[in-house]
Amino acid sequence: ILNVEQSPQSLHVQEGDSTNFTCSFPSSNFYALHWYRWETAKSPEALFVMTLNGDEKKKGRISATLNTKEGYSYLYIKGSQPEDSATYLCAFMTTDSWGKLQFGAGTQVVVTP
Amino acid sequence: DVKVTQSSRYLVKRTGEKVFLECVQDMDHENMFWYRQDPGLGLRLIYFSYDVKMKEKGDIPEGYSVSREKKERFSLILESASTNQTSMYLCASRKIGQSFNYGYTFGSGTRLTVV
Repeated sequence: ILNVEQSPQSLHVQEGDSTNFTCSFPSSNFYALHWYRWETAKSPEALFVMTLNGDEKKKGRISATLNTKEGYSYLYIKGSQPEDSATYLCAFMTTDSWGKLQFGAGTQVVVTP
Repeated sequence: DVKVTQSSRYLVKRTGEKVFLECVQDMDHENMFWYRQDPGLGLRLIYFSYDVKMKEKGDIPEGYSVSREKKERFSLILESASTNQTSMYLCASRKIGQSFNYGYTFGSGTRLTVV
């Protein structure tokens, strides 16, 4: 089982502040890195699928970067809003995993007004 | 709106019962997955299915089995429920070849409590 580590485990952010958190994964046999947002009582929702070293993706106020050589990805939230409160999961796919994702434990983000 | 539907949101079962968790997708996806999520741990893969009647063990298959008789339905079976199977169970699906731009599509989960 490959280790995908996310840090921090949780963080509290004031509304309007920006924040970021990390996903670390093994750099060998890299195929793709996924980010999901999981709000309470809802389904996890795909945010980004990243495949190339140096990839940067953006969706509204949320963006992500990818470094496959050193095995990490950052997720950034700019100007956090209460609706950004969720658990953010990253997941890693290797070239020999046949489409299976290995998930990290998630970073729980709580945005307070 | 495409979706993955899990039959129950909350379920309480007794130790030793045989439990069926159902998952249905309406997107003609080939791959389907069952994960469980426990506090402090990532989603852990129990079983997955490449296509109809195909199944393969994931990382933690002990105590579980699966059935995929039709493309749209993937069932997770707890042969004899135990308290350590109390967990949140998530079903997901994906279409082969779409993974570059699309992630998995998840159901909303079944929170199972075994007493």
